[in-house]
Amino acid sequence: NAGVTQTPKFQVLKTGQSMTLQCAQDMNHNSMYWYRQDPGMGLRLIYYSASEGTTDKGEVPNGYNVSRLNKREFSLRLESAAPSQTSVYFCASSRYDRFNEQFFGPGTRLTVL
Amino acid sequence: GIQVEQSPPDLILQEGANSTLRCNFSDSVNNLQWFHQNPWGQLINLFYIPSGTKQNGRLSATTVATERYSLLYISSSQTTDSGVYFCAVEITSGSRLTFGEGTQLTVNP
Repeated sequence: NAGVTQTPKFQVLKTGQSMTLQCAQDMNHNSMYWYRQDPGMGLRLIYYSASEGTTDKGEVPNGYNVSRLNKREFSLRLESAAPSQTSVYFCASSRYDRFNEQFFGPGTRLTVL
Repeated sequence: GIQVEQSPPDLILQEGANSTLRCNFSDSVNNLQWFHQNPWGQLINLFYIPSGTKQNGRLSATTVATERYSLLYISSSQTTDSGVYFCAVEITSGSRLTFGEGTQLTVNP
């Protein structure tokens, strides 16, 4: 099992450009999440999808959109990138039941110039 | 929202030493996890421990849910233990993890 995979690993954008970060999991998990990590800080939730067909805002959703394409895949889109979105982005998944341990992907390091 | 406080913020050890990291949280939780973020940025699951005690090799963790804290013990530390240790809690199943700011651990040879 690959677990949680993310593409790309690194990306540099110019202000105003758009891009989509891809995430997939092969653990048959119901819930998927997108977090961002800024230097010296813990992770903060951007959006999550408790189950296929649903999405909800997290702590810092402004400037982002998400799509739960199917049970395996959850994408994060930046429509018009801003320097404040320079960060490391992590995708995670969990079973969504009483034992809701979350598992994280390797991260995408994004720089917006 | 729930507050998660970790201590100490920084810790420097000599190889072979033992250490205890603490996580305090301000509300009842459904889930508590400990992670190790290695120098390459990868987040590694250490423990899923909403209550009780677990051990995995040189690492062990205890969560006292009624008193709203968790402890991570590292024994006989090795240089590969270096990195940032995060505690994260979840109030409701399927919602977000709230992370503490982490403990930066450096183990010197």
